[in-house]
Amino acid sequence: AQSVSQHNHHVILSEAASLELGCNYSYGGTVNLFWYVQYPGQHLQLLLKYFSGDPLVKGIKGFEAEFIKSKFSFNLRKPSVQWSDTAEYFCAVNGLGGYNKLIFGAGTRLAVHP
Amino acid sequence: GAGVSQSPRYKVAKRGQDVALRCDPISGHVSLFWYQQALGQGPEFLTYFQNEAQLDKSGLPSDRFFAERPEGSVSTLKIQRTQQEDSAVYLCASSKGGSQGAGFGPGTRLTVT
Repeated sequence: AQSVSQHNHHVILSEAASLELGCNYSYGGTVNLFWYVQYPGQHLQLLLKYFSGDPLVKGIKGFEAEFIKSKFSFNLRKPSVQWSDTAEYFCAVNGLGGYNKLIFGAGTRLAVHP
Repeated sequence: GAGVSQSPRYKVAKRGQDVALRCDPISGHVSLFWYQQALGQGPEFLTYFQNEAQLDKSGLPSDRFFAERPEGSVSTLKIQRTQQEDSAVYLCASSKGGSQGAGFGPGTRLTVT
């Protein structure tokens, strides 16, 4: 089945630690890739997206993600996290069953301790 | 500018009741999407409108779920004879076209008791 997998459900880091959240999808065709963030009490916000071109994309708040087509992966990274990055992060893909629907992973809950 | 708004933000329904959830998309956005987010899960696609036309309803879990967007702006998701498994956050999103770049609303948290 077409799906999106996020490897870590909960991640706990100290401030200034580096972050990498894994995302893999199961589809061999052309896809667009997204990372969304949901801060406590807020709605989903787009962090970054990849459609084509440079596989290393930069988003807001110092986040970046790298698309590795051969691994069907789109991992999210940040060199140094802050307490304010505490949130839930969702990887999403469209192209799996059509470009008019996003297929989301289950999410990774990140807690950053000061 | 104003983002996607949803109402009510919270809804408690007794099992068997009908509920109606409203979505006001960003003005001028032709595409509108509904998603269901169960506790501890990512959002799951329910249905998609382009203007007033419902082009994809493949994600609606049963015939108790019905969505409409009669004038191509505001949309309503209706759930008839609610069941406990319908308890979730219902998210609405809109965009100028396609699912890329869609902005999400705050969601309606439905609890069925």
